[in-house]
Amino acid sequence: GAVVSQHPSWVICKSGTSVKIECRSLDFQATTMFWYRQFPKQSLMLMATSNEGSKATYEQGVEKDKFLINHASLTLSTLTVTSAHPEDSSFYICSARVDRGVGQFNYGYTFGSGTRLTVV
Amino acid sequence: RKEVEQDPGPFNVPEGATVAFNCTYSNSASQSFFWYRQDCRKEPKLLMSVYSSGNEDGRFTAQLNRASQYISLLIRDSKLSDSATYLCVVNSNTGNQFYFGTGTSLTVIP
Repeated sequence: GAVVSQHPSWVICKSGTSVKIECRSLDFQATTMFWYRQFPKQSLMLMATSNEGSKATYEQGVEKDKFLINHASLTLSTLTVTSAHPEDSSFYICSARVDRGVGQFNYGYTFGSGTRLTVV
Repeated sequence: RKEVEQDPGPFNVPEGATVAFNCTYSNSASQSFFWYRQDCRKEPKLLMSVYSSGNEDGRFTAQLNRASQYISLLIRDSKLSDSATYLCVVNSNTGNQFYFGTGTSLTVIP
């Protein structure tokens, strides 16, 4: 099945530094990648949607200059948290759309394993 | 109004019990509906897609009620391993956006 490899799974960084999170589709081409953030005991919240070769679309309230998304190839999308602060500490997870052909459920979504970011 | 609303629980049930979760959605044009399961600090995993006619997979039954705009998940004969957070997910009518419920926490007690 379609697999998305996300790393790192866990990172601690100092306040003010930048952290890059990678998501790779291993056996399919991910034309669309979604980036989510989940704070403790809260729902997954969509941060941005990226399409290969074009600029990401950010949700309202998400700073595009702080959360840099690059989707330069069909198998790799990255999220860089720039100048991270403690309030950026969260669980970040990517999800890729997987196209399966025709029909009502001709697509699905597969998630990366998530990255737990702690900014100290 | 939130796109998707879900009772967060927690639901604590004994082994063997039947438990049901509901989830309401606000956009009547929504096309696709899913239930995901998320274990603590792990990624969500697809449990079931929800079909218009309702569908069953072993002990799990999913239903869609378009008139009242809700989906449900029924778990029969609960197992300890069913303990997790269950997320309802609604795809927008444009097809490219997921909306997640806050999740319902289930703990199955021996």
